[in-house]
Amino acid sequence: DQQVKQNSPSLSVQEGRISILNCDYTNSMFDYFLWYKKYPAEGPTFLISISSIKDKNEDGRFTVFLNKSAKHLSLHIVPSQPGDSAVYFCAASGDGGTSYGKLTFGQGTILTVHP
Amino acid sequence: NAGVTQTPKFQVLKTGQSMTLQCAQDMNHNSMYWYRQDPGMGLRLIYYSASEGTTDKGEVPNGYNVSRLNKREFSLRLESAAPSQTSVYFCASRDKLLLNTEAFFGQGTRLTVV
Repeated sequence: DQQVKQNSPSLSVQEGRISILNCDYTNSMFDYFLWYKKYPAEGPTFLISISSIKDKNEDGRFTVFLNKSAKHLSLHIVPSQPGDSAVYFCAASGDGGTSYGKLTFGQGTILTVHP
Repeated sequence: NAGVTQTPKFQVLKTGQSMTLQCAQDMNHNSMYWYRQDPGMGLRLIYYSASEGTTDKGEVPNGYNVSRLNKREFSLRLESAAPSQTSVYFCASRDKLLLNTEAFFGQGTRLTVV
């Protein structure tokens, strides 16, 4: 049962354009969502997060949008740069019931930004 | 500040051998996690420890055991390695006493079972 899903395995964009990465979740107990970036041969690094009480959070070129009714979140990168090329994972956590402390990840999306 | 340290970085095992992956964090975090990363499967949670003294199964616990030795250390043991356990393993920690925080990851252990 994949509770966090990233249905696009890969995304290719031109430098300077917008990159939009999507993520869907099924567990309504999730109340905190995160995006991570991963380069080859390195551990994932935290990028940006959003609490379920918000619908948008911005940090420089990165913006995360949350649509709770649709159980959907997205990460926007504007403008995209070649150094943004990496695997992006979304993750979710929630403290309800048996989920206390659990952090669940999606399958990842490979972003390639072409110069 | 080292963050999350995993050892070893690389390991080759024969089928049936056992080994323990070590993880230590120096951030005084309460929660620790073990994930495996496989192509197309993302990061799948093996076991986690929400706080010292507790451990819980994640999505793919079969074939693994864990020990939360103390607040700093969380080890993952393969009792009888199988080729299906060939993967990259990541340990992570998180300060769960602070609501809604990010997890910090180690550099990973690349394990090959032949």
